[in-house]
Amino acid sequence: QVQLVQSGAEVKKPGASVKVSCKASGYTFTSYGISWVRQAPGQGLEWMGWISAYNGNTNYAQKLQGRVTMTTDTSTSTAYMELRSLRSDDTAVYYCARVEPKSFHFDYWGQGTLVTVSS
Amino acid sequence: QSALTQPASVSGSPGQSITISCTGTSSDVGSYNLVSWYQQHPGKAPKLMIYEVSKRPSGVSNRFSGSKSGNTASLTISGLQAEDEADYYCCSYAGSSSLKFGGGTKLTVL
Repeated sequence: QVQLVQSGAEVKKPGASVKVSCKASGYTFTSYGISWVRQAPGQGLEWMGWISAYNGNTNYAQKLQGRVTMTTDTSTSTAYMELRSLRSDDTAVYYCARVEPKSFHFDYWGQGTLVTVSS
Repeated sequence: QSALTQPASVSGSPGQSITISCTGTSSDVGSYNLVSWYQQHPGKAPKLMIYEVSKRPSGVSNRFSGSKSGNTASLTISGLQAEDEADYYCCSYAGSSSLKFGGGTKLTVL
């Protein structure tokens, strides 16, 4: 069965960086993309961007351009999301989700990773 | 990029039907039949309920249906059940491999 398993919770200081991992299993990793979606406490879902696991092409949300990098390691079927220059409003649960590359819907989700930014 | 517009809350009694709207623009919802809907219970990851406007993934109840007219997509839940109480989010392709979510709608089953 398809599973996306994310790394554990993180606590970071303002200005630091965080890197969250998402290990996929149960399907051919390179046939889909991985998207990252975050949810601040009590708020809605925010699309951060996505990466094609087939060729590594990326597209990031405009507001995060320059601070976010998404990568994949096809040898371990793992996707990574790094966010730099963290601010308090980056505190959120970060989800990875499998993306169907033709219709851009998220059919499987990771369990979420809480990233807390606090001094 | 503005989020898609959803009502903050809707409610209905068990057995009734409700509809949640999702309004975008001619650059996103209006241009592509690539609208999806997600259900999220508190403390849980979202779950795909509808994709490509009106298609249901395997395992999702046929009480859930989707449609689109112009720049507005809609999710209808018929025969409301207590377990349907959750937050619902729409999402649309917005061109150039970008996506945007709606602000979310809290469904209360009375």
